[in-house]
Amino acid sequence: KAGVTQTPRYLIKTRGQQVTLSCSPISGHRSVSWYQQTPGQGLQFLFEYFSETQRNKGNFPGRFSGRQFSNSRSEMNVSTLELGDSALYLCASSLESGFHEQYFGPGTRLTVT
Amino acid sequence: AQKVTQAQTEISVVEKEDVTLDCVYETRDTTYYLFWYKQPPSGELVFLIRRNSFDEQNEISGRYSWNFQKSTSSFNFTITASQVVDSAVYFCALSAYAGNNRKLIWGLGTSLAVNP
Repeated sequence: KAGVTQTPRYLIKTRGQQVTLSCSPISGHRSVSWYQQTPGQGLQFLFEYFSETQRNKGNFPGRFSGRQFSNSRSEMNVSTLELGDSALYLCASSLESGFHEQYFGPGTRLTVT
Repeated sequence: AQKVTQAQTEISVVEKEDVTLDCVYETRDTTYYLFWYKQPPSGELVFLIRRNSFDEQNEISGRYSWNFQKSTSSFNFTITASQVVDSAVYFCALSAYAGNNRKLIWGLGTSLAVNP
């Protein structure tokens, strides 16, 4: 079974730009969650999508948004990038909503200059 | 407030030693879940265990064991007879409601180095 895939793996953007990250979950998994990982703040939950609906949300500003498609693939968008958005963005999938056993992808390393 | 504290930032042991990683949590929710994940040097987080707040039984899986104590709000993780392959960053996490929204709150992790 293929694991969780994330594209792109690395991204360099300029402050003020916007970026879209993609996540393909394990086949059959309907829940996709997104996390931001930084050395200072550690892992922080962004949001969770299940069956195309946002089910749970962390404490990030509205510049961070997401969506999920009917095939469970998910995208995360960050608008008006700030230097502090530089981080590793992780996607995780699971069979059910609500933070059951999650399988993580390798992440997208975003650098904002 | 929901919070997870992993007081040990780094631990270094010699192979075959037992090691315990501490996790203390805070929540007002009565129904919550606790997790441990492992992040090896390769980077991808790996699920180890999920425990709900109503199940205080200790769990053992091979060399791994977990001790959940609601009285002290702790969910500690012990590796028996550690091996070099256990070297990783270990994260404890709490899933609980804040308002009408469930969140997953992570500790900052404990970096474990197992030396041969």
